[in-house]
Amino acid sequence: DQQVKQNSPSLSVQEGRISILNCDYTNSMFDYFLWYKKYPAEGPTFLISISSIKDKNEDGRFTVFLNKSAKHLSLHIVPSQPGDSAVYFCAASAGRTSGSARQLTFGSGTQLTVLP
Amino acid sequence: DVKVTQSSRYLVKRTGEKVFLECVQDMDHENMFWYRQDPGLGLRLIYFSYDVKMKEKGDIPEGYSVSREKKERFSLILESASTNQTSMYLCASSLSPRGYGYTFGSGTRLTVV
Repeated sequence: DQQVKQNSPSLSVQEGRISILNCDYTNSMFDYFLWYKKYPAEGPTFLISISSIKDKNEDGRFTVFLNKSAKHLSLHIVPSQPGDSAVYFCAASAGRTSGSARQLTFGSGTQLTVLP
Repeated sequence: DVKVTQSSRYLVKRTGEKVFLECVQDMDHENMFWYRQDPGLGLRLIYFSYDVKMKEKGDIPEGYSVSREKKERFSLILESASTNQTSMYLCASSLSPRGYGYTFGSGTRLTVV
């Protein structure tokens, strides 16, 4: 049972337009959310995060929105660039810790293709 | 530049072999993690460690074990490799105690034949 779901395996967008990637979660204990970007043959890299006390966080062209009542978050990329083409993973953390390790639960990823 | 280094980019092993995947980080992070990435399933946590000689099972530990003898090194062991363990394996580390962000290695593509 996937607690973090990315229902769109792929998304194609024209360069300069907005890309919207969606993520849903089921665990109401999740209190911190992150987006990672992954290029082929590389490890995922951290992109942007949001705490459950906020509903929006912005960093340059990237904005993450959180709707706690709907258990939904989205990543907006404006404007989209060809270099943004990658797999994007949504991740969530429940605040429980073991020792000092904070675990992340990942979604299945969305392949974004930005067309020139 | 801080790094998580995985010793092999590609590995091909035979069914039944014992396989070691090595991961080293140079950031003095307490926490280290092993994930596998499969199409349609995303990243799934196998094992993690929050201190030297400490380990905890993740969501899919069956068929795997780990070793953390030194802070900077976290090894994933496949005791008897099987074809369903063919996957991309990703190591990550994070700071303690508020290290939400992971730093990942480049991954090891393991094929079991």
